[in-house]
Amino acid sequence: QKEVEQDPGPLSVPEGAIVSLNCTYSNSAFQYFMWYRQYSRKGPELLMYTYSSGNKEDGRFTAQVDKSSKYISLFIRDSQPSDSATYLCAMSEGSNDYKLSFGAGTTVTVRA
Amino acid sequence: EAGVAQSPRYKIIEKRQSVAFWCNPISGHATLYWYQQILGQGPKLLIQFQNNGVVDDSQLPKDRFSAERLKGVDSTLKIQPAKLEDSAVYLCASSLTGYSGNTIYFGEGSWLTVV
Repeated sequence: QKEVEQDPGPLSVPEGAIVSLNCTYSNSAFQYFMWYRQYSRKGPELLMYTYSSGNKEDGRFTAQVDKSSKYISLFIRDSQPSDSATYLCAMSEGSNDYKLSFGAGTTVTVRA
Repeated sequence: EAGVAQSPRYKIIEKRQSVAFWCNPISGHATLYWYQQILGQGPKLLIQFQNNGVVDDSQLPKDRFSAERLKGVDSTLKIQPAKLEDSAVYLCASSLTGYSGNTIYFGEGSWLTVV
């Protein structure tokens, strides 16, 4: 069993739709949860950062963490063609051991 | 602010040959990471440096991979001899410190194809 599971998709949605992405994990020591966006042939860039359980909103993006279920989600509202990318979830255990464990990534295409 | 610089961007080599990748982190960033991303998978940490010391190299295949970070700034990752399964993107990343809360910034990657 992989430490972080993420459905690779691909996911295709029309412009303006809500995109829903999620990851599950097995390591209960994870405390820091991130979502990275990776455009084709580019490096990942940090999109959202959450500590422990709860919700965080930033513009059109909402990240949710449910540590009891070991489940995290990312929602993209009013999706745009420019949101077409691969979305990677990433997690880390401790504050002084900041190594990231990544999911496989979900490829999203937003159709104009 | 300049980002993480990597070179070369693309490299094609034959199996059993050697290759080296170079990384220049963001100025002032003490922590440097090398990740390997195989097509269709998430990045996997190979090695983490804090200044010029190794923090974690537990997933680095040390029989063929080596990395150094001289003077706590630039870093090189070498593969010798390369195998077909080493075909991947090698991502360099840096952060201000190795502590949570500091964003990890990634370079655009060095794409390696071993034929």
